Amino acid sequence: LAKTTQPISMDSYEGQEVNITCSHNNIATNDYITWYQQFPSQGPRFIIQGYKTKVTNEVASLFIPADRKSSTLSLPRVSLSDTAVYYCLVAELGDTGRRALTFGSGTRLQVQP
Amino acid sequence: EAGVAQSPRYKIIEKRQSVAFWCNPISGHATLYWYQQILGQGPKLLIQFQNNGVVDDSQLPKDRFSAERLKGVDSTLKIQPAKLEDSAVYLCASSLGPGTGGYGYTFGSGTRLTVV
Repeated sequence: LAKTTQPISMDSYEGQEVNITCSHNNIATNDYITWYQQFPSQGPRFIIQGYKTKVTNEVASLFIPADRKSSTLSLPRVSLSDTAVYYCLVAELGDTGRRALTFGSGTRLQVQP
Repeated sequence: EAGVAQSPRYKIIEKRQSVAFWCNPISGHATLYWYQQILGQGPKLLIQFQNNGVVDDSQLPKDRFSAERLKGVDSTLKIQPAKLEDSAVYLCASSLGPGTGGYGYTFGSGTRLTVV
């Protein structure tokens, strides 16, 4: 199973861009990289998913190099409400994918005014 | 669309007592998951259902934990007897199916269990 490694915590200020890098050296061909966000007292929430190169949505961007052994979640111009724990996960795609999401400890992002 | 519903929201019990949690997934989601999240850690999968069948329960402490998903919709997770180390948030999630690469999991807000 692909294991992910990401920083335990990060601090930022409002209006800054935050980049959280995750390493997944043993990612498999059928694995996608997926990021979830979790606020206190809530369940995790899907943010973004990608396979290679760059993916962008209304919330974040995800950068994945050609070797796919790492990925970077980019949050543009963070606000106080972006204070949360961010999880980097790899998960199977395809009809045979039966493995459920496996979470690590995540990165605790603290945004200050 | 309605989210994943869980109840109760909070529960405090004494050790050796029993407790049950209930989950109602998003309509049409065939796959249902129960996760345990201890304070300061990421969620840990306990059991995964596909419709009403168990796909993975390898991390479920079967001597005290049990789960069922009758009729392939609602699910209950039971702990009997509870131990102090079972204090955690129990999260239910659902998805259309497995093999989505992690896309489209919807989590409930969880049940916070405190065992004293």
